[in-house]
Amino acid sequence: GESVGLHLPTLSVQEGDNSIINCAYSNSASDYFIWYKQESGKGPQFIIDIRSNMDKRQGQRVTVLLNKTVKHLSLQIAATQPGDSAVYFCAEITRLYNFNKFYFGSGTKLNVKP
Amino acid sequence: GAGVSQSPRYKVAKRGQDVALRCDPISGHVSLFWYQQALGQGPEFLTYFQNEAQLDKSGLPSDRFFAERPEGSVSTLKIQRTQQEDSAVYLCASSNHRVAGFDEQFFGPGTRLTVL
Repeated sequence: GESVGLHLPTLSVQEGDNSIINCAYSNSASDYFIWYKQESGKGPQFIIDIRSNMDKRQGQRVTVLLNKTVKHLSLQIAATQPGDSAVYFCAEITRLYNFNKFYFGSGTKLNVKP
Repeated sequence: GAGVSQSPRYKVAKRGQDVALRCDPISGHVSLFWYQQALGQGPEFLTYFQNEAQLDKSGLPSDRFFAERPEGSVSTLKIQRTQQEDSAVYLCASSNHRVAGFDEQFFGPGTRLTVL
């Protein structure tokens, strides 16, 4: 099977600082990569995606960087807020016959200190 | 509008008991996925439906796990003779289906299953 991400580490940041969450993936043939945010007791929530032919994509306060050479994905959150505290997962998406199969990493827990 | 809903939200089962977990996808979504999420881990793919057809069940861990979506909307994940290792959060996700490109998956809140 595919191998994405790291065993659950924890990142603690001060409110207002920038956060960088990293992820390693294994399948160089993956078509898309997505970052999800999961709060306690909820399902994963889509944050931002990036296609394999891109190396950077920006959203509101978030930026995803893709380095295909070293199979590395990162999520940058600007001006981190307490509401950003959650577990963040990267996922790689591989096209199989006629559907997209998602492979998730184990996640990073982000603690934002007020 | 309404998102993906799952019921029950919590289920405690005695070892050996059968359980059934329900997923109501977003109306009109063709694709439906089931995932298993162990504590501190990312979701692991179990099975995929396109309408009522189960196109991929490669992630089901054993023949005790069975999923169905008979009318192409609501889906049920059934686990027979539950074991302690089945304890996890079971997530359902739905999406539109495009022939090419990326379909965002919308996740439900999950059912937390605890097997004693």
